[in-house]
Amino acid sequence: EAQVTQNPRYLITVTGKKLTVTCSQNMNHEYMSWYRQDPGLGLRQIYYSMNVEVTDKGDVPEGYKVSRKEKRNFPLILESPSPNQTSLYFCASSQWTGGGEKLFFGSGTQLSVL
Amino acid sequence: ELKVEQNPLFLSMQEGKNYTIYCNYSTTSDRLYWYRQDPGKSLESLFVLLSNGAVKQEGRLMASLDTKARLSTLHITAAVHDLSATYFCAVQETSGSRLTFGEGTQLTVNP
Repeated sequence: EAQVTQNPRYLITVTGKKLTVTCSQNMNHEYMSWYRQDPGLGLRQIYYSMNVEVTDKGDVPEGYKVSRKEKRNFPLILESPSPNQTSLYFCASSQWTGGGEKLFFGSGTQLSVL
Repeated sequence: ELKVEQNPLFLSMQEGKNYTIYCNYSTTSDRLYWYRQDPGKSLESLFVLLSNGAVKQEGRLMASLDTKARLSTLHITAAVHDLSATYFCAVQETSGSRLTFGEGTQLTVNP
């Protein structure tokens, strides 16, 4: 089954404790991206990756890191989480075709930073 | 900076009625997407609109794109309760892969 898998689904942590949210896709997509969703703000893009070793900043990259060492994986790293990073995070992957670039989203990770 | 605005942000409607959600954006683009999100769930792709005048329909939903007016609409025909969800439009800059979402429209369809 084609899917984007995020882990963990829920995460509670404390300020300053490094964490990683994993994202993996099994569709051989070149494009992957991370978003955070906050009430009243919609989804905001954090980082995206066009292919292995190619990443770029989205609209809200501060406080986040990413890496793309393999095509299928695109982890999101918070080196020193702060309470303002409490949010719902989504990973997505896509492949551009003549019909457009439909995103496939993971199930989301609800992060709380205390 | 690309801005995407949806209206209304909240919409309560009766079953059987028609309504339109609007998505305005601030810069040149010919790639617009609509997504649906059910409460507590992830996002699901509804439509991909790639050119001026593009129109796509799926069941009771129809989406259109006017790139000159920088406007997309999502029209709901004869609403049913199952359409209750939050709907997002997203615009992709022509020059790259950055994707900007609107705030979302929370639709509630009442019996």
